[in-house]
Amino acid sequence: QKEVEQNSGPLSVPEGAIASLNCTYSDRGSQSFFWYRQYSGKSPELIMFIYSNGDKEDGRFTAQLNKASQYVSLLIRDSQPSDSATYLCAVIYSSASKIIFGSGTRLSIRP
Amino acid sequence: GAGVSQSPSNKVTEKGKDVELRCDPISGHTALYWYRQRLGQGLEFLIYFQGNSAPDKSGLPSDRFSAERTGESVSTLTIQRTQQEDSAVYLCASRGLANNEQFFGPGTRLTVL
Repeated sequence: QKEVEQNSGPLSVPEGAIASLNCTYSDRGSQSFFWYRQYSGKSPELIMFIYSNGDKEDGRFTAQLNKASQYVSLLIRDSQPSDSATYLCAVIYSSASKIIFGSGTRLSIRP
Repeated sequence: GAGVSQSPSNKVTEKGKDVELRCDPISGHTALYWYRQRLGQGLEFLIYFQGNSAPDKSGLPSDRFSAERTGESVSTLTIQRTQQEDSAVYLCASRGLANNEQFFGPGTRLTVL
């Protein structure tokens, strides 16, 4: 059973709309949660991190964490074609500080 | 340096040869990770260092793969007797103690002919 699950997509969203990306994890002791963006042929780039339940906003990005339900989501407002990429969810577990990545969701913003 | 650096950026080798990939983490970062990413696939965890120790080697695919880290800085990933299935991008990332944010290097693209 995978420890971090993401829908592989592709998720197609019209330009200007809100893109919603979801991630679930299996270990209730997980402490920290990250969203990375990866353009084709490039390495992952950290765009958001969240530690506490609730919402965290940074510009057009909002990360949402619900530890009781064991999910973390990323909302992208006013989606732009440049947001088209694969979005990776990552989780630090309570033991050994190992970071586990989901397989990523491919997002496509259509003009 | 300001970020994680990796060398070489590209490596083409013949099947059966050994290769060594290098990672220079962000200065002061105690944790260092190696991942493999095959074309169109997700990140595959290989090994994790805390300081110079590797508490988790569970992702190394076979005994042809090994890694070391010295001076709580540079790390090398060695692949012996390379096989075609080793062709991938090898990514290194580092993380500091002050926060949990992990930063990636640009990767080494390995092609085994």
